[in-house]
Amino acid sequence: AQTVTQSQPEMSVQEAETVTLSCTYDTSESNYYLFWYKQPPSRQMILVIRQEAYKQQNATENRFSVNFQKAAKSFSLKISDSQLGDTAMYFCAFMKHRAAGNKLTFGGGTRVLVKP
Amino acid sequence: DAGVIQSPRHEVTEMGQEVTLRCKPISGHNSLFWYRQTMMRGLELLIYFNNNVPIDDSGMPEDRFSAKMPNASFSTLKIQPSEPRDSAVYFCASSFPGDTEAFFGQGTRLTVV
Repeated sequence: AQTVTQSQPEMSVQEAETVTLSCTYDTSESNYYLFWYKQPPSRQMILVIRQEAYKQQNATENRFSVNFQKAAKSFSLKISDSQLGDTAMYFCAFMKHRAAGNKLTFGGGTRVLVKP
Repeated sequence: DAGVIQSPRHEVTEMGQEVTLRCKPISGHNSLFWYRQTMMRGLELLIYFNNNVPIDDSGMPEDRFSAKMPNASFSTLKIQPSEPRDSAVYFCASSFPGDTEAFFGQGTRLTVV
């Protein structure tokens, strides 16, 4: 079974600054997908970024980027130029490659507070 | 598309009552998931369907929980009888064939008193 660990329960950052969220996972699979989901106070789960394990290049989506270290089983999220709207819970998630149904295993989440 | 639609958004019920949560996936999506979110256990998968067929229900806590997907556009999660420990936010999500992205509904906050 896969496990996903987020060691930082809460982080705060000043507006326009950078914050990095950590995530580690454990799996015996060689091919898989990793995700960061955002859950703002509205409760909606929103996909922020995804990474395919067989791709060495780190994924980037605008102000969001990841540092994927496959050997270390580490998948951190960097939020650059933080904005007030980035305040939310952030969940790291794992998916087996080509698993039927694309089920996700989530970490415990990190609460990010962006301060003006 | 309106996205994944869940109803109700909030439900308060008394212990012992039957509760039914509803989900309409995005049109064309063939996978549907029910997740539960609690402070203690975080987000956990309860059950998922592929082409309306339940594939994995190992996350369903006990026999009080049941889920159905009678057609491609509708699914229900039923709890009978409900207990206070069932209080949680229940999410439905769906995904398109071959795509890894799961689209989530806004969740149903269930409170059992």
